[in-house]
Amino acid sequence: GNSVTQMEGPVTLSEEAFLTINCTYTATGYPSLFWYVQYPGEGLQLLLKATKADDKGSNKGFEATYRKETTSFHLEKGSVQVSDSAVYFCALSPPSNTGKLIFGQGTTLQVKP
Amino acid sequence: GAVVSQHPSRVICKSGTSVKIECRSLDFQATTMFWYRQFPKQSLMLMATSNEGSKATYEQGVEKDKFLINHASLTLSTLTVTSAHPEDSSFYICSARDGTGWQAFFGQGTRLTVV
Repeated sequence: GNSVTQMEGPVTLSEEAFLTINCTYTATGYPSLFWYVQYPGEGLQLLLKATKADDKGSNKGFEATYRKETTSFHLEKGSVQVSDSAVYFCALSPPSNTGKLIFGQGTTLQVKP
Repeated sequence: GAVVSQHPSRVICKSGTSVKIECRSLDFQATTMFWYRQFPKQSLMLMATSNEGSKATYEQGVEKDKFLINHASLTLSTLTVTSAHPEDSSFYICSARDGTGWQAFFGQGTRLTVV
């Protein structure tokens, strides 16, 4: 079946530190992969996506590369800010393109000044 | 991006009563809506998919008679938790997409507490 596994949080970093949040998946076929972010008191927002192997999604300084060989989609940012504090969800959408999403458990990021 | 509004954001109800949660697409027509449930420190779990004018499709293990979903218009879907029990306490999130794009937009979620 399809599933997503994220590293457990919370992740606590100082401002300007390098961020990595690991995400691995299991899926049949070639899913699309996503990172969503949830800021306090708000709904989930799409952060970035990749639809095929070796694609790199990027947005707001965050990047993630679709690695088929390692079934991974790790989220990285070179220099985090306090405003990046949020919960980050890795997700996949099966190839059937119904819009259904399968989520990882979420990773809380806390950035301290 | 498109806006999805979920109401209420928080609700407390007594055990045995029913509670309705609304999900509205404010600036687009949502042909498909999804309802998710999130337990503390756990992933969002898809409960059901609803297409406008059709019966909802429930995921395995979700009781369709307990979680009633109605998607009667292109801008509104409702989730009614019937005969609520404390174990139904959770965070419920909806998302919606139109018929043209692939992206689903999320509401801000509803925290349900059954006492």
